[in-house]
Amino acid sequence: QKEVEQDPGPLSVPEGAIVSLNCTYSNSAFQYFMWYRQYSRKGPELLMYTYSSGNKEDGRFTAQVDKSSKYISLFIRDSQPSDSATYLCALDQGAQKLVFGQGTRLTINP
Amino acid sequence: NAGVTQTPKFRILKIGQSMTLQCTQDMNHNYMYWYRQDPGMGLKLIYYSVGAGITDKGEVPNGYNVSRSTTEDFPLRLELAAPSQTSVYFCASSSGTTLRGQYFGPGTRLTVT
Repeated sequence: QKEVEQDPGPLSVPEGAIVSLNCTYSNSAFQYFMWYRQYSRKGPELLMYTYSSGNKEDGRFTAQVDKSSKYISLFIRDSQPSDSATYLCALDQGAQKLVFGQGTRLTINP
Repeated sequence: NAGVTQTPKFRILKIGQSMTLQCTQDMNHNYMYWYRQDPGMGLKLIYYSVGAGITDKGEVPNGYNVSRSTTEDFPLRLELAAPSQTSVYFCASSSGTTLRGQYFGPGTRLTVT
C-alpha cells in the first residue's frame, strides 16, 4: 500500500465550478499536510499547509484534514482558467522530509 | 533574490555517460533536496542534506551521488547513466520550519538514450 494515494485525473471542469481534490494516506505519524501547485514545465510551489485536523481557508482555497479518516482535501471555489495546473498533496512526519501524492492534473475550461 | 536555481535546463545523455546537475540557493537554507518526477508519478526523494557536509539517502538513491561542501550548493552526480534515469529532476531547499514548505527550482529535463 502506498503511503499517499492521489487520483491523477485528469480532471476538467468549467470556469466558476467548485473543485475538490483529495488524498488518502496510511501512516498516522504524518503531522503536517500541504498542497503544492505545479504549472506545466515549472517547479512545484507551496499553496497551502495545515497542521491539525480541521479547515484552513485562504481566499478561494480551503484545505481540509480529517486525521481520523486519514483523508485530506483541497477545495477551489469560483475556479479560474489560471487555476489549471497539477496539484500535489505532500505530507510530513515532522522530519523535514515530504512524501508526495501522484498529483492531480486539473484543467479549468473558460 | 533568485531562490533556487538549477543548471542545465535540458540535457541528453548517452547510456553510460556521466554528468552533474547543479543546484544553488541564495536563501541561506540548511535543508536541501533532490527529487525526480516521472510522468504521473509525483515526486520521489533521491537525496537530501540537513547542512554542509551532511547528506543522506532518500527513497530512490541508486545510481546517484551528492555532496554538500557549502550551504548554497548541492550538486547531484549521475554515474553510468541508464534509460531508467530519464526524468525531470528538481532541487529544493527549506529553512527547516516545516510549515514554510520547500522552495523548488525550475527543474532539469534529462533524457538518456
